[in-house]
Amino acid sequence: NAGVMQNPRHLVRRRGQEARLRCSPMKGHSHVYWYRQLPEEGLKFMVYLQKENIIDESGMPKERFSAEFPKEGPSILRIQQVVRGDSAAYFCASSPRGTGETQYFGPGTRLLVL
Amino acid sequence: GQQVMQIPQYQHVQEGEDFTTYCNSSTTLSNIQWYKQRPGGHPVFLIQLVKSGEVKKQKRLTFQFGEAKKNSSLHITATQTTDVGTYFCAGRNGGSQGNLIFGKGTKLSVKP
Repeated sequence: NAGVMQNPRHLVRRRGQEARLRCSPMKGHSHVYWYRQLPEEGLKFMVYLQKENIIDESGMPKERFSAEFPKEGPSILRIQQVVRGDSAAYFCASSPRGTGETQYFGPGTRLLVL
Repeated sequence: GQQVMQIPQYQHVQEGEDFTTYCNSSTTLSNIQWYKQRPGGHPVFLIQLVKSGEVKKQKRLTFQFGEAKKNSSLHITATQTTDVGTYFCAGRNGGSQGNLIFGKGTKLSVKP
């Protein structure tokens, strides 16, 4: 049973470009969470999605960031017009049911904005 | 909003010494989870505590959940170099719909 998969593992973008981060949850998991981790910092919750629905986006910046989890395919975290402050590790986690469950983390995408 | 604080931020120990990290929440938690993240790696789930005063053990690791369900601790006995990493606590309130709030973690280094 494959774990949570994220790609790319490393992504370099120039300021103003778009970054697309993909997350495939564990088989049988229908709940996906995105977190951002700055160097030497903890994990900051961004958004919680189920298939085709955003359940909680209270941690998402109001501008430039969006997330989706379509019926088919991976969850996508999209950052438009990236700035240097967006450089961070972005982790996706999944769980089989609701937020009361253990979350299984993917390997993360390390985004570097030049 | 809810805050989860962890202390210390860093801990350097000699191999064989014990290590403890503490987690405190500003609100009562429905449960608390602990994760370990190795350098360059991703968080890996260790354990979940649900009951007031609960104590769980995993080999050399002992996890406690406070009576008031507002604090927790992780204690490692006789640390080994394989224990190196950052240990995060993550709390949840508001029943099963509350999202996990992570502490900033305690980074443990072990000198052989």
